[in-house]
Amino acid sequence: EVQLVESGGGLIQPGGSLRLSCAASGITVSSNYMSWVRQAPGKGLEWVSVIYSGGSTYYADSVKGRFTISRDNSKNTLYLQMNSLRVEDTAVYYCAGAGRSFDYWGQGTLVTVSS
Amino acid sequence: DIQMTQSPSSVSASVGDRVTITCRASQGIKSWLAWYQQKPGKAPKLLIFDASSLQRGVPSRFSGSGSGTDFTLTISSLQPEDFATYYCQQANSFPWTFGQGTKVEIK
Repeated sequence: EVQLVESGGGLIQPGGSLRLSCAASGITVSSNYMSWVRQAPGKGLEWVSVIYSGGSTYYADSVKGRFTISRDNSKNTLYLQMNSLRVEDTAVYYCAGAGRSFDYWGQGTLVTVSS
Repeated sequence: DIQMTQSPSSVSASVGDRVTITCRASQGIKSWLAWYQQKPGKAPKLLIFDASSLQRGVPSRFSGSGSGTDFTLTISSLQPEDFATYYCQQANSFPWTFGQGTKVEIK
């Protein structure tokens, strides 16, 4: 059974940084396309970033230059480093994989950016 | 960026009804389209990938069709557990984008 478990969310002030983690089991992070998708309160889904099995990374324009996706193959864990956070980054952040469509999802972690 | 437009934004239907949701891409996306179901407070669930392929474990009352710019998700006979919000998503080119969602409500 595939499990994706996100952690690292919380309340952070504008301009601050946060690192989200997604611990995977039943799926090998390094062998799949792994993404972050977010959902602002009461809003729709927004794709944030993907890391390909080969290591290439891609980002939504709204986070480019501020967010960095990475993975630790030894820990089978996906990360999202979020810098220069803005109020509009407030959302539930989901880890998702395994290809161009998102077969598997975590339960999400809430990031609230507020002063 | 490719814009994904779903219609309708919401639909009221009864158990047993046939429901069709459409998704239009602002430019051609071949068959790189997926459909998801989301219930309140839960993560989305993949229903359809590659426009018409049923995800393992998803009931056969769900089906998808289309290619290029116009796509549909059909629920052949609505069940109580199908009341949810549905999203389409394109993965033809970056940034990957979602439709705004279609809420299926009880009539």
